[in-house]
Amino acid sequence: EAGVTQSPTHLIKTRGQQATLRCSPISGHTSVYWYQQALGLGLQFLLWYDEGEERNRGNFPPRFSGRQFPNYSSELNVNALELEDSALYLCASSLVLGQAKNIQYFGAGTRLSVL
Amino acid sequence: LAKTTQPISMDSYEGQEVNITCSHNNIATNDYITWYQQFPSQGPRFIIQGYKTKVTNEVASLFIPADRKSSTLSLPRVSLSDTAVYYCLVGHSGAGSYQLTFGKGTKLSVIP
Repeated sequence: EAGVTQSPTHLIKTRGQQATLRCSPISGHTSVYWYQQALGLGLQFLLWYDEGEERNRGNFPPRFSGRQFPNYSSELNVNALELEDSALYLCASSLVLGQAKNIQYFGAGTRLSVL
Repeated sequence: LAKTTQPISMDSYEGQEVNITCSHNNIATNDYITWYQQFPSQGPRFIIQGYKTKVTNEVASLFIPADRKSSTLSLPRVSLSDTAVYYCLVGHSGAGSYQLTFGKGTKLSVIP
């Protein structure tokens, strides 16, 4: 069974540009989560999508946005890129919605570098 | 959300058993405890999850005392490939929202 896949693996942009990151969840999973991990730091929750709707977002500015498609894949868009947006962006998916024993499975991430 | 506290780093020799303890004093009744492992530049990998007492799988054991205010991840006979950051998380759901809150984790270094 295929795991969570993310593309591209690496992405290089310049300040002010827009970046689009993509995620395909494990088959059958309806929830997709996005996290940001800056170098040497822990994971920060960005966004949670389920059944095509945004369910929750972390403490990030509105230029971080995304969507979930009918096939449950997801896109994360980052507009007006800033240098501090350089980080590893991780996508996770899960099967069971909203339960405390929910297990999230992570992809390998997209390394975004903003120059 | 329950806050977790775990040691920043630990060193261990190959072949030894490693125990990483996490405290979560304000864990709620419905919260589960989950541990993840992360290698550099990779996504976290689920290791084990538990609610109370002891849980064991092919990779690790998780010990949770009756008051559930702490938990201990036990890795038997570690090898160099177990060098990674280990995160303790307390899962929480409520009011239609669910998210994982990652702390800084414990950086385990296995020494030959």
